[in-house]
Amino acid sequence: EDQVTQSPEALRLQEGESSSLNCSYTVSGLRGLFWYRQDPGKGPEFLFTLYSAGEEKEKERLKATLTKKESFLHITAPKPEDSATYLCAVQAGNYGGSQGNLIFGKGTKLSVKP
Amino acid sequence: NAGVTQTPKFQVLKTGQSMTLQCAQDMNHEYMSWYRQDPGMGLRLIHYSVGAGITDQGEVPNGYNVSRSTTEDFPLRLLSAAPSQTSVYFCASSASRQGSPLHFGNGTRLTVT
Repeated sequence: EDQVTQSPEALRLQEGESSSLNCSYTVSGLRGLFWYRQDPGKGPEFLFTLYSAGEEKEKERLKATLTKKESFLHITAPKPEDSATYLCAVQAGNYGGSQGNLIFGKGTKLSVKP
Repeated sequence: NAGVTQTPKFQVLKTGQSMTLQCAQDMNHEYMSWYRQDPGMGLRLIHYSVGAGITDQGEVPNGYNVSRSTTEDFPLRLLSAAPSQTSVYFCASSASRQGSPLHFGNGTRLTVT
């Protein structure tokens, strides 16, 4: 069964304290791994798509990496405005039936204190 | 562009009532989907559509109906509301089902009493 597990569930950082969020997955043929940011009362906002092991993408203080079993979202020198819930989702390679739809993890709630 | 627009933002229903959650996108996306988000459960797929006239069930379809008569609109109908359907509902769209990121609306918070 395709699964996505994110850790930790919650992370508290001081401003400037770098850290990483983890997304472990098991899927039958990965088509893509997606990272989203969700602010309270809002819908998820797309950040990155990773397609193959070894791929990396960066945006401001965020860097996403991908291996064959997991993805990391590295946050460098975070600021309070980076506080949000970060969601990871995977798309499996088999498009029969409901396969091909995104499977989401439960998210990591990040709090950055000034 | 407005992106994905959901209405209403908040709704309170009594058990047994029916209603329709509206979703519209102006990006000419072929793929649209409905998710519900519950504390500790993450986002779960209810129904999805790969194009006008085509819909299919997701992970948690019971108690919900959908239709896709146009590319732009994808309404979600609750046939007879139950307290278990209290949740936040998100509509999302993407250019295609393969490898394209989903664009989400800002959700409808539904409470069933």
